[in-house]
Amino acid sequence: AQSVSQHNHHVILSEAASLELGCNYSYGGTVNLFWYVQYPGQHLQLLLKYFSGDPLVKGIKGFEAEFIKSKFSFNLRKPSVQWSDTAEYFCAVKGGGADGLTFGKGTHLIIQP
Amino acid sequence: DTEVTQTPKHLVMGMTNKKSLKCEQHMGHRAMYWYKQKAKKPPELMFVYSYEKLSINESVPSRFSPECPNSSLLNLHLHALQPEDSALYLCASSQESWETQYFGPGTRLLVL
Repeated sequence: AQSVSQHNHHVILSEAASLELGCNYSYGGTVNLFWYVQYPGQHLQLLLKYFSGDPLVKGIKGFEAEFIKSKFSFNLRKPSVQWSDTAEYFCAVKGGGADGLTFGKGTHLIIQP
Repeated sequence: DTEVTQTPKHLVMGMTNKKSLKCEQHMGHRAMYWYKQKAKKPPELMFVYSYEKLSINESVPSRFSPECPNSSLLNLHLHALQPEDSALYLCASSQESWETQYFGPGTRLLVL
């Protein structure tokens, strides 16, 4: 069975600070990796995804993530956060078959003005 | 357009009631999903439909009964629920079962 571990459950940063959220997964085969964001009162939105190819993927709103296969990691980064980035961030993994997503426990990010 | 719609937005029901949740997408996606999300927890997979056939049931109690009447529509029929079933129920869809899933806004269910 696959599992996802997010290291930080609560992160508080000031505006313009740099962000890195850790994500590690456990799965024996080929995986597709995702970061979703859930803004307060809104539905889950896709930030970015990795299926294959360049391990550095860029997503919306200036976010990027790097897939490091040897470390089973898919960390999310943003060089300069904004107050509007306050949200819950979920890392998720999906195997190659007809299964659903397995989510990490989420990171609650608060950006202070 | 990557819109998945869900109705109703909110639902309150008693333990003896029967109700249904509805999910709709018009993106031509062939896979649809139900997830359950408790407060301050990640979504947990309940069911997967692929080409209108149930392909995964994650050991969900029989008081939850999914139905896929056509490729655009997914229902979740609820009967004799328990208070611990109160949660946000999320629907998602993807072009094929291995592709990116897009989520609806959810139905917030309260069981009294």
